[in-house]
Amino acid sequence: AQSVTQPDIHITVSEGASLELRCNYSYGATPYLFWYVQSPGQGLQLLLKYFSGDTLVQGIKGFEAEFKRSQSSFNLRKPSVHWSDAAEYFCAVGAESGGGADGLTFGKGTHLIIQP
Amino acid sequence: DTAVSQTPKYLVTQMGNDKSIKCEQNLGHDTMYWYKQDSKKFLKIMFSYNNKELIINETVPNRFSPKSPDKAHLNLHINSLELGDSAVYFCASSQYLDSPLHFGNGTRLTVT
Repeated sequence: AQSVTQPDIHITVSEGASLELRCNYSYGATPYLFWYVQSPGQGLQLLLKYFSGDTLVQGIKGFEAEFKRSQSSFNLRKPSVHWSDAAEYFCAVGAESGGGADGLTFGKGTHLIIQP
Repeated sequence: DTAVSQTPKYLVTQMGNDKSIKCEQNLGHDTMYWYKQDSKKFLKIMFSYNNKELIINETVPNRFSPKSPDKAHLNLHINSLELGDSAVYFCASSQYLDSPLHFGNGTRLTVT
């Protein structure tokens, strides 16, 4: 069965500093990988996704993530965070199957706090 | 122009009541989902429908019954509500697995 681990429950970063959020997955085949962000009281918004091809994926809001098959990781990065980046971040993995109805498995989320 | 809309946004009710949450998507997607987010923010899929047909039914009490009158709607009906049902419920849709999920803004259900 597929699973996702986000080892850091909370991360505190100073505004302007760089950010890396960790995500490790377990899946027997080629994974589809996603990062979502949830701002307080809001729904989830897709930051970026990886299906195949270039292992460095660019997303919205200046985020990027790198797929490393050897480490089963898909870490999210941003060179310089802004106070508006404070939110909950979810990594998710999907199965490679037809129909698209298998849903995603989500990690438990990382709560990002931005210090002034 | 909300792509996935759910109503109500907040729902406060007493134990034992029956309630429904509605979800509609105007994206023309074939697949819709219900996710439950618990107090620790952990998201778990509950149901998935593809073209009005139930595809996924995770370990969810049968007090929860999804209803899909057409592929643009997936409603969630909950009977005999319990305290443990308090959570945020997210509706989502996608066309295929290789297209992203579009989430609604969630419905915060509080059972007292």
